[in-house]
Amino acid sequence: DTAVSQTPKYLVTQMGNDKSIKCEQNLGHDTMYWYKQDSKKFLKIMFSYNNKELIINETVPNRFSPKSPDKAHLNLHINSLELGDSAVYFCASSQPGGVGTDTQYFGPGTRLTVL
Amino acid sequence: ELKVEQNPLFLSMQEGKNYTIYCNYSTTSDRLYWYRQDPGKSLESLFVLLSNGAVKQEGRLMASLDTKARLSTLHITAAVHDLSATYFCAVDSGGGADGLTFGKGTHLIIQP
Repeated sequence: DTAVSQTPKYLVTQMGNDKSIKCEQNLGHDTMYWYKQDSKKFLKIMFSYNNKELIINETVPNRFSPKSPDKAHLNLHINSLELGDSAVYFCASSQPGGVGTDTQYFGPGTRLTVL
Repeated sequence: ELKVEQNPLFLSMQEGKNYTIYCNYSTTSDRLYWYRQDPGKSLESLFVLLSNGAVKQEGRLMASLDTKARLSTLHITAAVHDLSATYFCAVDSGGGADGLTFGKGTHLIIQP
Protein backbone atom coordinates (compact mmCIF):
# COMPACT_ATOMS: atom_id res chain seq x y z
CA ASP A 1 0.00 0.00 0.00
CA THR A 2 1.25 3.45 -0.91
CA ALA A 3 1.90 5.54 2.20
CA VAL A 4 1.81 8.98 0.56
CA SER A 5 0.22 9.30 -2.85
CA GLN A 6 -0.11 12.24 -5.22
CA THR A 7 -2.10 12.88 -8.35
CA PRO A 8 -1.41 13.65 -11.06
CA LYS A 9 2.17 12.49 -11.57
CA TYR A 10 2.61 14.83 -14.54
CA LEU A 11 0.82 18.09 -15.22
CA VAL A 12 1.36 20.20 -18.33
CA THR A 13 -0.59 23.43 -18.61
CA GLN A 14 -0.59 26.92 -20.04
CA MET A 15 0.35 30.12 -18.27
CA GLY A 16 -2.54 31.74 -16.50
CA ASN A 17 -4.43 28.52 -15.84
CA ASP A 18 -5.52 27.27 -12.41
CA LYS A 19 -4.59 23.74 -11.36
CA SER A 20 -4.70 21.49 -8.32
CA ILE A 21 -2.50 18.68 -7.08
CA LYS A 22 -3.94 16.14 -4.68
CA CYS A 23 -2.16 14.37 -1.85
CA GLU A 24 -3.31 11.60 0.44
CA GLN A 25 -1.52 9.75 3.23
CA ASN A 26 -2.64 6.55 4.91
CA LEU A 27 -0.11 6.63 7.73
CA GLY A 28 -2.37 8.31 10.26
CA HIS A 29 0.06 11.23 10.55
CA ASP A 30 -1.03 14.56 11.98
CA THR A 31 1.14 16.79 9.83
CA MET A 32 1.43 17.10 6.06
CA TYR A 33 3.71 19.25 3.94
CA TRP A 34 4.27 20.56 0.45
CA TYR A 35 7.78 21.00 -0.94
CA LYS A 36 8.95 22.43 -4.24
CA GLN A 37 12.00 21.00 -6.02
CA ASP A 38 13.34 23.29 -8.71
CA SER A 39 15.32 22.45 -11.82
CA LYS A 40 18.56 22.46 -9.81
CA LYS A 41 17.10 19.84 -7.46
CA PHE A 42 16.88 22.30 -4.58
CA LEU A 43 14.07 21.41 -2.17
CA LYS A 44 12.18 24.09 -0.29
CA ILE A 45 9.31 23.84 2.15
CA MET A 46 6.13 25.59 1.04
CA PHE A 47 3.50 24.70 3.61
CA SER A 48 2.78 22.42 6.49
CA TYR A 49 -0.61 21.55 7.96
CA ASN A 50 -1.14 20.15 11.42
CA ASN A 51 -4.64 18.96 12.26
CA LYS A 52 -6.05 21.13 9.48
CA GLU A 53 -4.25 24.23 10.70
CA LEU A 54 -1.59 25.99 8.63
CA ILE A 55 1.66 26.03 10.54
CA ILE A 56 4.08 27.78 8.21
CA ASN A 57 4.07 29.53 4.89
CA GLU A 58 7.56 30.18 3.62
CA THR A 59 7.25 33.30 1.46
CA VAL A 60 5.13 31.44 -1.04
CA PRO A 61 3.05 33.62 -3.37
CA ASN A 62 -0.60 33.77 -2.44
CA ARG A 63 -1.41 32.19 -5.79
CA PHE A 64 -0.62 28.95 -3.97
CA SER A 65 -3.21 27.77 -1.49
CA PRO A 66 -3.19 24.51 0.45
CA LYS A 67 -6.52 22.94 1.21
CA SER A 68 -7.02 20.15 3.71
CA PRO A 69 -10.49 18.55 3.71
CA ASP A 70 -9.37 16.13 6.43
CA LYS A 71 -6.28 14.91 8.24
CA ALA A 72 -5.36 12.46 5.50
CA HIS A 73 -5.47 14.91 2.61
CA LEU A 74 -3.59 18.08 1.73
CA ASN A 75 -4.24 19.44 -1.74
CA LEU A 76 -2.33 22.23 -3.41
CA HIS A 77 -4.22 24.70 -5.55
CA ILE A 78 -2.35 27.09 -7.81
CA ASN A 79 -3.96 30.10 -9.47
CA SER A 80 -2.71 32.00 -12.49
CA LEU A 81 0.20 29.70 -13.20
CA GLU A 82 3.51 31.28 -14.23
CA LEU A 83 6.52 29.86 -16.04
CA GLY A 84 8.52 29.93 -12.82
CA ASP A 85 6.08 27.57 -11.19
CA SER A 86 7.46 24.73 -13.29
CA ALA A 87 8.99 22.30 -10.83
CA VAL A 88 8.41 19.02 -9.06
CA TYR A 89 6.06 19.31 -6.11
CA PHE A 90 6.35 16.78 -3.31
CA CYS A 91 3.84 16.08 -0.62
CA ALA A 92 5.08 14.61 2.67
CA SER A 93 3.69 13.60 6.02
CA SER A 94 5.05 12.98 9.50
CA GLN A 95 4.03 12.46 13.10
CA PRO A 96 6.09 15.06 14.98
CA GLY A 97 7.03 14.78 18.60
CA GLY A 98 7.71 11.08 18.93
CA VAL A 99 11.19 9.68 19.06
CA GLY A 100 11.90 7.84 15.86
CA THR A 101 8.48 8.61 14.45
CA ASP A 102 9.03 12.08 13.05
CA THR A 103 10.58 11.03 9.77
CA GLN A 104 8.93 12.77 6.89
CA TYR A 105 7.64 10.37 4.26
CA PHE A 106 7.48 11.76 0.76
CA GLY A 107 5.03 11.14 -2.03
CA PRO A 108 6.14 10.30 -5.59
CA GLY A 109 6.05 13.91 -6.73
CA THR A 110 4.12 15.83 -9.36
CA ARG A 111 6.08 17.28 -12.24
CA LEU A 112 4.42 20.53 -13.25
CA THR A 113 5.33 22.11 -16.56
CA VAL A 114 3.94 25.54 -17.39
CA LEU A 115 4.11 26.49 -21.07
CA GLU B 1 17.45 31.78 9.08
CA LEU B 2 18.56 28.18 9.16
CA LYS B 3 21.11 27.29 6.49
CA VAL B 4 22.24 23.82 5.55
CA GLU B 5 25.37 23.33 3.49
CA GLN B 6 26.50 20.10 1.92
CA ASN B 7 29.78 19.31 0.32
CA PRO B 8 30.75 18.18 -2.09
CA LEU B 9 27.80 18.91 -4.38
CA PHE B 10 29.12 16.51 -6.97
CA LEU B 11 31.18 13.40 -6.42
CA SER B 12 32.42 10.85 -8.89
CA MET B 13 34.16 7.87 -7.43
CA GLN B 14 35.15 4.35 -8.28
CA GLU B 15 33.64 1.21 -6.92
CA GLY B 16 35.40 -0.10 -3.87
CA LYS B 17 36.50 3.31 -2.62
CA ASN B 18 35.46 5.07 0.57
CA TYR B 19 34.21 8.63 0.80
CA THR B 20 32.42 11.04 3.10
CA ILE B 21 29.74 13.64 2.45
CA TYR B 22 29.59 16.55 4.89
CA CYS B 23 26.57 18.48 6.10
CA ASN B 24 26.94 21.69 8.11
CA TYR B 25 24.01 23.62 9.53
CA SER B 26 23.81 27.06 11.02
CA THR B 27 21.55 26.86 14.08
CA THR B 28 20.87 24.52 16.94
CA SER B 29 18.92 21.47 15.92
CA ASP B 30 18.02 18.19 17.54
CA ARG B 31 17.03 16.39 14.37
CA LEU B 32 19.02 15.69 11.26
CA TYR B 33 17.91 13.56 8.35
CA TRP B 34 19.56 11.94 5.38
CA TYR B 35 17.56 11.17 2.27
CA ARG B 36 18.37 9.49 -1.01
CA GLN B 37 16.82 10.48 -4.34
CA ASP B 38 17.19 8.52 -7.55
CA PRO B 39 16.63 10.35 -10.87
CA GLY B 40 12.96 11.10 -11.42
CA LYS B 41 12.00 9.50 -8.13
CA SER B 42 10.87 10.51 -4.68
CA LEU B 43 12.95 10.94 -1.56
CA GLU B 44 13.75 7.85 0.46
CA SER B 45 14.56 8.24 4.14
CA LEU B 46 17.95 6.78 5.04
CA PHE B 47 18.70 7.96 8.57
CA VAL B 48 17.26 10.06 11.34
CA LEU B 49 19.83 11.33 13.84
CA LEU B 50 18.32 12.62 17.04
CA SER B 51 21.15 13.29 19.47
CA ASN B 52 24.75 14.36 19.74
CA GLY B 53 27.09 11.51 18.94
CA ALA B 54 24.40 9.48 17.21
CA VAL B 55 25.74 7.00 14.70
CA LYS B 56 23.62 4.86 12.44
CA GLN B 57 24.65 2.32 9.84
CA GLU B 58 22.81 0.60 7.05
CA GLY B 59 24.83 -1.56 4.71
CA ARG B 60 27.66 0.48 3.23
CA LEU B 61 26.31 3.79 4.56
CA MET B 62 27.02 5.23 7.98
CA ALA B 63 25.75 8.55 9.28
CA SER B 64 26.89 10.47 12.33
CA LEU B 65 25.93 13.66 14.10
CA ASP B 66 27.96 16.17 16.10
CA THR B 67 25.52 18.77 17.37
CA LYS B 68 28.25 20.87 18.98
CA ALA B 69 30.04 21.26 15.67
CA ARG B 70 26.68 21.37 13.82
CA LEU B 71 28.03 18.74 11.50
CA SER B 72 26.75 15.47 10.15
CA THR B 73 28.62 13.07 7.91
CA LEU B 74 27.49 10.33 5.57
CA HIS B 75 30.27 7.84 5.03
CA ILE B 76 30.28 5.41 2.15
CA THR B 77 32.33 2.27 2.52
CA ALA B 78 33.50 0.21 -0.45
CA ALA B 79 31.13 1.98 -2.82
CA VAL B 80 29.06 0.01 -5.32
CA HIS B 81 27.30 1.27 -8.44
CA ASP B 82 23.85 0.88 -6.85
CA LEU B 83 24.65 3.67 -4.43
CA SER B 84 24.72 6.20 -7.28
CA ALA B 85 22.06 8.78 -6.42
CA THR B 86 21.62 12.26 -4.98
CA TYR B 87 21.93 12.43 -1.22
CA PHE B 88 20.31 15.19 0.81
CA CYS B 89 20.75 16.15 4.40
CA ALA B 90 17.95 18.08 6.06
CA VAL B 91 17.48 19.75 9.39
CA ASP B 92 14.41 20.31 11.48
CA SER B 93 15.02 23.13 13.89
CA GLY B 94 11.42 23.57 14.89
CA GLY B 95 11.20 20.59 17.16
CA GLY B 96 7.73 19.87 15.94
CA ALA B 97 5.69 20.31 12.83
CA ASP B 98 7.92 22.72 10.94
CA GLY B 99 9.18 21.68 7.56
CA LEU B 100 12.69 20.52 6.86
CA THR B 101 15.46 22.75 5.55
CA PHE B 102 17.42 20.83 2.95
CA GLY B 103 20.98 21.06 1.76
CA LYS B 104 21.52 21.37 -1.98
CA GLY B 105 22.23 17.67 -2.31
CA THR B 106 25.30 15.66 -3.29
CA HIS B 107 25.10 14.06 -6.72
CA LEU B 108 27.06 10.85 -6.36
CA ILE B 109 28.22 8.80 -9.33
CA ILE B 110 29.96 5.52 -8.69
CA GLN B 111 31.79 4.12 -11.65
CA PRO B 112 32.86 0.52 -12.14
